[in-house]
Amino acid sequence: QSVLTQPPSMSGAPGQRVTISCTGSSSNIGADYDVHWYQQLPGTAPKLLIYSNNNRPSGVPDRFSGSQSGTSASLAITGLQAEDEADYFCQSYDSSLSAYVFGSGTKVTVL
Amino acid sequence: QVQLHESGPGLVKPSETLSLTCSVSGYPISSNYYWGWIRQPPGRGLEWIGSVYRGVGTSYNPSLKSRVTISVDASKNQFSLKVSSVTAADTAVYYCARHAGNRDKRRYFDYWGQGSLVTVSS
Repeated sequence: QSVLTQPPSMSGAPGQRVTISCTGSSSNIGADYDVHWYQQLPGTAPKLLIYSNNNRPSGVPDRFSGSQSGTSASLAITGLQAEDEADYFCQSYDSSLSAYVFGSGTKVTVL
Repeated sequence: QVQLHESGPGLVKPSETLSLTCSVSGYPISSNYYWGWIRQPPGRGLEWIGSVYRGVGTSYNPSLKSRVTISVDASKNQFSLKVSSVTAADTAVYYCARHAGNRDKRRYFDYWGQGSLVTVSS
């Protein structure tokens, strides 16, 4: 349903690396529109994690990094910690829909 | 520190109009930023509703455009959302947020309110 597709869930042990994909098309990520990432802890509002593909707002640990290539983008979490257990959403712009769009969301579980 | 806070009725009857207000502190709403609304149905993903710029420019999600109005009250440093002819499908947590970035179609939401649950039910 979302034009940006993410895996529904991912998991990893503390200290491991997790990479979340965000797959789009030629009308959004492939059209070179920026990708942004948000973290939503249970019961709270989303929080900006990465903006403009690979930039971290002040206060976001450097364990979080973003990349973009072709029609896809990725969020990498290295050194996974218990407090990283949350939902993660990508966001971009879609020229066919003329709208800012969000990914379907990925629930990350820390084992 | 930019802070946003949504307020409004938590229950709206079908076919009526949903109204929410976002109060902004720590930053003038008439400044060079867009301000937006996003919603999240229970257990589901996020949907951009629309954004307003200095009270004179608006952009809406085409899927909702016919039913949505976003306006600004700069004197109160607030902006508002109205969604008309609501149905159960409009039940969601509604967030207001600052829509940042200096290039059109590349913007992101950098500050969010805590969210306001609106249930559409008779």
